[in-house]
Amino acid sequence: DTAVSQTPKYLVTQMGNDKSIKCEQNLGHDTMYWYKQDSKKFLKIMFSYNNKELIINETVPNRFSPKSPDKAHLNLHINSLELGDSAVYFCASSQGGTGGKFRAYNEQFFGPGTRLTVL
Amino acid sequence: EDQVTQSPEALRLQEGESSSLNCSYTVSGLRGLFWYRQDPGKGPEFLFTLYSAGEEKEKERLKATLTKKESFLHITAPKPEDSATYLCAVQAGGAQKLVFGQGTRLTINP
Repeated sequence: DTAVSQTPKYLVTQMGNDKSIKCEQNLGHDTMYWYKQDSKKFLKIMFSYNNKELIINETVPNRFSPKSPDKAHLNLHINSLELGDSAVYFCASSQGGTGGKFRAYNEQFFGPGTRLTVL
Repeated sequence: EDQVTQSPEALRLQEGESSSLNCSYTVSGLRGLFWYRQDPGKGPEFLFTLYSAGEEKEKERLKATLTKKESFLHITAPKPEDSATYLCAVQAGGAQKLVFGQGTRLTINP
């Protein structure tokens, strides 16, 4: 199946721990994203990578560090977890590029999400 | 700052009862307006992209329209399986990020 996949689906951990979430897409896209969905269901962009290069870095604490080993993978590492980090984290991908020239490339496809609970 | 507001927050309809969801936006230089469907415990599923005022797109019982200030998602003769949260998002300026609204939770009763 062509898709965006994430692991793990659920992550329960103690405050202060360090954890990672992995994302992989086999759609052949060259841009990947991390979004956070809070308890009110608001989806907000955190980071975006295009061909392994960071292109969007919203106001996110330094404890969050994305890493893209290749254009099919984007991982999210979180240090010193806090209670407020509890949320659902979604990975997404799109064909990317400059976007303006290739309209269809703007469409973003999302993974199933990782529910992070910090106790 | 780009803003997206969806209304109503929640909508409950009887099966077959048509209605519309609204998405109002304020952006600098709209590049695209996107509609997604999200089922509980799942990621958003892409439905439509609209690029310019006057554009319309249809898929089964759903039809999305766009003006310079808002978009509507019309649902005709809905079925219980159309129950989900519908999310609207905009892409603006030179950015590739999507700015989402808070969603409309749609429930269709049999």
